Amino acid sequence: EAQVTQNPRYLITVTGKKLTVTCSQNMNHEYMSWYRQDPGLGLRQIYYSMNVEVTDKGDVPEGYKVSRKEKRNFPLILESPSPNQTSLYFCASTPTGGTYEQYFGPGTRLTVT
Amino acid sequence: ILNVEQSPQSLHVQEGDSTNFTCSFPSSNFYALHWYRWETAKSPEALFVMTLNGDEKKKGRISATLNTKEGYSYLYIKGSQPEDSATYLCAIRGFGNQFYFGTGTSLTVIP
Repeated sequence: EAQVTQNPRYLITVTGKKLTVTCSQNMNHEYMSWYRQDPGLGLRQIYYSMNVEVTDKGDVPEGYKVSRKEKRNFPLILESPSPNQTSLYFCASTPTGGTYEQYFGPGTRLTVT
Repeated sequence: ILNVEQSPQSLHVQEGDSTNFTCSFPSSNFYALHWYRWETAKSPEALFVMTLNGDEKKKGRISATLNTKEGYSYLYIKGSQPEDSATYLCAIRGFGNQFYFGTGTSLTVIP
């Protein structure tokens, strides 16, 4: 089944404790992206990647890191999480060269206390 | 940054009513406009991707139009059903391949 998976789905952590949210897709898509969703705000792009070893900042990259060592994986790293990073996070992937229709993962609900 | 606005913020309609909502954007300098449907506790799902001025797309009872000259796209739902209840998101893919989303229109269809 074609899908985007994210882990963990829910996470409660404390300020300053490094964490990684994994994202994996099995559709051989070149483009992958991370978003955060906060009440009253639209989905905001954190980072995106056009292909392996190519990453770019989105609108809200501060406090986040990403890597794209393999085509299928695009982990989101919070080196020192803070309460303002409490949010719902979505990973998405899309094939390039076509319509760029995005396929979203199930979301990760992160709470930083 | 491309500022994408959606209106109304929320909408309640009776089953069987037709409805429409708007996505506005300030510039025609983008690759494509996307519509997504987002049901509660699920992930956003793609509805339409439109690229050209005058584009019209249709999927069942849902259709969309794009006017890049005046900076808006309309999403129409004909004969709304309770299963159409969801948040409808609009997004622009800019020339840097970055996506800019609106805040969405929350539709509730009352049986």
